[in-house]
Amino acid sequence: QQQVKQSPQSLIVQKGGISIINCAYENTAFDYFPWYQQFPGKGPALLIAIRPDVSEKKEGRFTISFNKSAKQFSLHIMDSQPGDSATYFCAASPNRDDKIIFGKGTRLHILP
Amino acid sequence: DADVTQTPRNRITKTGKRIMLECSQTKGHDRMYWYRQDPGLGLQLIYYSFDVKDINKGEISDGYSVSRQAQAKFSLSLESAIPNQTALYFCATSDRLGDWTNTGELFFGEGSRLTVL
Repeated sequence: QQQVKQSPQSLIVQKGGISIINCAYENTAFDYFPWYQQFPGKGPALLIAIRPDVSEKKEGRFTISFNKSAKQFSLHIMDSQPGDSATYFCAASPNRDDKIIFGKGTRLHILP
Repeated sequence: DADVTQTPRNRITKTGKRIMLECSQTKGHDRMYWYRQDPGLGLQLIYYSFDVKDINKGEISDGYSVSRQAQAKFSLSLESAIPNQTALYFCATSDRLGDWTNTGELFFGEGSRLTVL
């Protein structure tokens, strides 16, 4: 059973556009929702994370939107740049102090 | 030097061989993890350890074993490798979560690419 469902699997966006990646979860015990970014040949690295008691968190061009009642959260990349081309993983952790479970990832390509 | 070091970075082996992937870290973190990455399947947790005496199975532990030799070292073994274990393997570390000033961030190594023929 996949605990964190991520879509789309791949995404192509024009430079300057908005990239949107969505995730859904079932386990109501999840209380920590990070996003990781992975460039080719590298390990994933934390991009941004959100707590369940807020509906939005913004860091620069990256925003997480969180809908607790729908059990969904999404990553928005504003003014997308070619350097944002990477694989993005949403994730969730049950009880905040437990292991992190990842979605299947989204390969994002920003056209120059 | 990298904070999380994996060896070997690349390995080609044959079916039935025993393989060990090693991970060492200089971050001083208690928690260490092994993940497997396959195209389209994301990152799947194999095993994790919250301290030296703690070992836990993850989502896909069958066919794998681990050893936590010290706080800084966590190795993954494939006792008898099979072709469907061909994948990219990542070691990661994290600090113990306390209050919300700690992000619970995972720090990944560069990965070990394993090919089983």
